[in-house]
Amino acid sequence: GQQVMQIPQYQHVQEGEDFTTYCNSSTTLSNIQWYKQRPGGHPVFLIQLVKSGEVKKQKRLTFQFGEAKKNSSLHITATQTTDVGTYFCAGPRQAGTALIFGKGTTLSVSS
Amino acid sequence: GAVVSQHPSRVICKSGTSVKIECRSLDFQATTMFWYRQFPKQSLMLMATSNEGSKATYEQGVEKDKFLINHASLTLSTLTVTSAHPEDSSFYICSARAGGVEKLFFGSGTQLSVL
Repeated sequence: GQQVMQIPQYQHVQEGEDFTTYCNSSTTLSNIQWYKQRPGGHPVFLIQLVKSGEVKKQKRLTFQFGEAKKNSSLHITATQTTDVGTYFCAGPRQAGTALIFGKGTTLSVSS
Repeated sequence: GAVVSQHPSRVICKSGTSVKIECRSLDFQATTMFWYRQFPKQSLMLMATSNEGSKATYEQGVEKDKFLINHASLTLSTLTVTSAHPEDSSFYICSARAGGVEKLFFGSGTQLSVL
């Protein structure tokens, strides 16, 4: 079946270091979305990428959508303690309107 | 932004009882809502798609008689965990789209603990 895979599962960094999480879909996606879930919280939408090869930035966060529209990445420059949480990528399933989520990457940051 | 309200936020119940979780879209109408389940430190697993005025669409492996979903209005969907057992203990979270946009707005989730 359709799968969205994400690596790494966990990442610990020192404050100020960079962080990257990678997302790969078993199928071509019409769009890919990224969500952040803080510990004890619920997922919150970060961004949506639609175009092949698209790159979007939000302050220290850079999101990329692959040329084949099957993979994506999220890069955080100079991490801060406020970046702590789990980052999920998600893509629309082929049938229906739901989103299929990757397993997420949990980022911890030590100061 | 759109707000999805979910309650209760936490419930503890005895094995064999039923628990109802409500999910409301506060400032928009949601013809479709989605119910996810999340185990500790794991991903969001889609349980079912809730459709206003019609039967929910359940994912493979999800027992529809166990997890009853009702979407009686454009702003309310409910998930009832019937005859709950300890293995049903989990974080249940609903979501919806607003205004035709692709992104999902999530409720704050319900932590269910079955003793």
